[in-house]
Amino acid sequence: GAGVSQSPSNKVTEKGKDVELRCDPISGHTALYWYRQSLGQGLEFLIYFQGNSAPDKSGLPSDRFSAERTGGSVSTLTIQRTQQEDSAVYLCASSPGTAVSEAFFGQGTRLTVV
Amino acid sequence: AQSVTQPDIHITVSEGASLELRCNYSYGATPYLFWYVQSPGQGLQLLLKYFSGDTLVQGIKGFEAEFKRSQSSFNLRKPSVHWSDAAEYFCAVGRSSNTGKLIFGQGTTLQVKP
Repeated sequence: GAGVSQSPSNKVTEKGKDVELRCDPISGHTALYWYRQSLGQGLEFLIYFQGNSAPDKSGLPSDRFSAERTGGSVSTLTIQRTQQEDSAVYLCASSPGTAVSEAFFGQGTRLTVV
Repeated sequence: AQSVTQPDIHITVSEGASLELRCNYSYGATPYLFWYVQSPGQGLQLLLKYFSGDTLVQGIKGFEAEFKRSQSSFNLRKPSVHWSDAAEYFCAVGRSSNTGKLIFGQGTTLQVKP
């Protein structure tokens, strides 16, 4: 596609349920990032994938959060046993993967945990 | 610790007036600096970036920013604001080895008065 695509655009879930958020990066981009945008917290880095390398998980807030990237393209962010504090907009970005390149962001998934 | 500070949470300017949004960073190495804009319900759009070279960089929509190493600043400017510029603006810093893994400021919300 022309840009980074995320689905769903909105998700409401009950506390304790698991959710999966999907990201389709720009075709050919080898690097993929997940960020979380919370009220009062700004944007925070969660996880980074680059090609076939082991992902950089340094930003994941707890072990309830995980992500995978299949075939070097689509990525899924999974949140297990959701809590109310997980409510946020989850943004995905991709980049060509070269050292000096910009990241292109999707429109995000707004997650509300009730 | 690496950080980005946007001192102004909210700014209101009149249409046609000039604009300056402040950004200060704390970073141990050569910073790679970005300004992104987020309109309501939209993802982040890159306005401009500084990697090296000329410290005054031009971006889209008539924006420019100046990198001042001595002041650790990367302020965003526009000579004449349009009503469509109303949005949230984020300053971010990345490492030279991975410019997609970004540290964001808290954002500045710009309101434009008619």
